[in-house]
Amino acid sequence: DAGVIQSPRHEVTEMGQEVTLRCKPISGHDYLFWYRQTMMRGLELLIYFNNNVPIDDSGMPEDRFSAKMPNASFSTLKIQPSEPRDSAVYFCASSSYWGVSSTDTQYFGPGTRLTVL
Amino acid sequence: ELKVEQNPLFLSMQEGKNYTIYCNYSTTSDRLYWYRQDPGKSLESLFVLLSNGAVKQEGRLMASLDTKARLSTLHITAAVHDLSATYFCAAGRGSNYKLTFGKGTLLTVNP
Repeated sequence: DAGVIQSPRHEVTEMGQEVTLRCKPISGHDYLFWYRQTMMRGLELLIYFNNNVPIDDSGMPEDRFSAKMPNASFSTLKIQPSEPRDSAVYFCASSSYWGVSSTDTQYFGPGTRLTVL
Repeated sequence: ELKVEQNPLFLSMQEGKNYTIYCNYSTTSDRLYWYRQDPGKSLESLFVLLSNGAVKQEGRLMASLDTKARLSTLHITAAVHDLSATYFCAAGRGSNYKLTFGKGTLLTVNP
């Protein structure tokens, strides 16, 4: 299996521009997660989907951020307009259903390093 | 709100020594995860602990869970340089797939 795929791996943009990050989860996984990692705030969950439906978006910092999952194999995280404080590494992760005794986990993609100038 | 605290945040060890990383969480949690992250890389799952008293071992790493104390530990035995990385614990609850991560422990193993 190819694992979780993210693109681009690096993105440098200027303040005010729109940024779109992409994620392809592991085939067969029902859950998809978007995280943001910074030195100051650590690893934060932004939003997660189950069967393409957003379940919890309480971590989305503000209206400038939006996420979609049009089908089971693709999700996007969009920032419009971008600001320097959005600079971070954004990870996508996916998992299958967890039964009560399941020892399955979330599988992380390689991340997108975003720099907003 | 579930909160997760790790300590220490920075750990410098000598090769061959033993040490323990601690992970405390604030409210009832029935799923505890340990991940490893190498510099500039993604997170790799190490252990999943589901029940009180659970213990898992892989090589020089051993993780345990005490749900009554709301504490998980990651014990490193006879450290080697290859173990240098940042280690995260994360806690979850029931059918909620949302995990709360600790700040991470940056482990450096020196020759």
